[in-house]
Amino acid sequence: LAKTTQPISMDSYEGQEVNITCSHNNIATNDYITWYQQFPSQGPRFIIQGYKTKVTNEVASLFIPADRKSSTLSLPRVSLSDTAVYYCLVGVRNTGFQKLVFGTGTRLLVSP
Amino acid sequence: DVKVTQSSRYLVKRTGEKVFLECVQDMDHENMFWYRQDPGLGLRLIYFSYDVKMKEKGDIPEGYSVSREKKERFSLILESASTNQTSMYLCASSFSRTGIGSPLHFGNGTRLTVT
Repeated sequence: LAKTTQPISMDSYEGQEVNITCSHNNIATNDYITWYQQFPSQGPRFIIQGYKTKVTNEVASLFIPADRKSSTLSLPRVSLSDTAVYYCLVGVRNTGFQKLVFGTGTRLLVSP
Repeated sequence: DVKVTQSSRYLVKRTGEKVFLECVQDMDHENMFWYRQDPGLGLRLIYFSYDVKMKEKGDIPEGYSVSREKKERFSLILESASTNQTSMYLCASSFSRTGIGSPLHFGNGTRLTVT
């Protein structure tokens, strides 16, 4: 079971870059790493996904080292609206199917 | 855009009642999931389904069952509701049989209170 570990909370200011690291020491060969964002009273929303090295989209970057035992979500120039809980998700193989397990999440607070 | 719709936003039930939480997705996704979310515990997987009439237990299936008679609909059933099942319930769906590389799309949740 690829358990994930993230910081419980982080604080930042508007305009700063925020890096949230997730540890997943037991990640399996074919597992992907996915990050989600959740605002209060809403379901989580997909942000970014990767397998190795670096992935970038319009909202974030995902850095994955060669051993894949951790990953870092990078949010450039955060704004107040980035205040949310961020979840790191690693796929877990189960009898040929994926059993998807969430981490506990990181609560990011962005201040003016 | 994928839409995952949960039938109720808020629900209040009494201990011992049978409770049905309904979820419908409109993108022909094979995979559907039920999670519960509690403060300090994050999201925990209750049950999931990769095909019609197929179900597999997640991490905390005790006290719950599910039904998937049609591809677009996945129901969570609390056979006899208890106060420790008071929680936010989130339904999700994704495409592809394995789920590998396929993001989850979540509904906005049902906040269930059992009194």
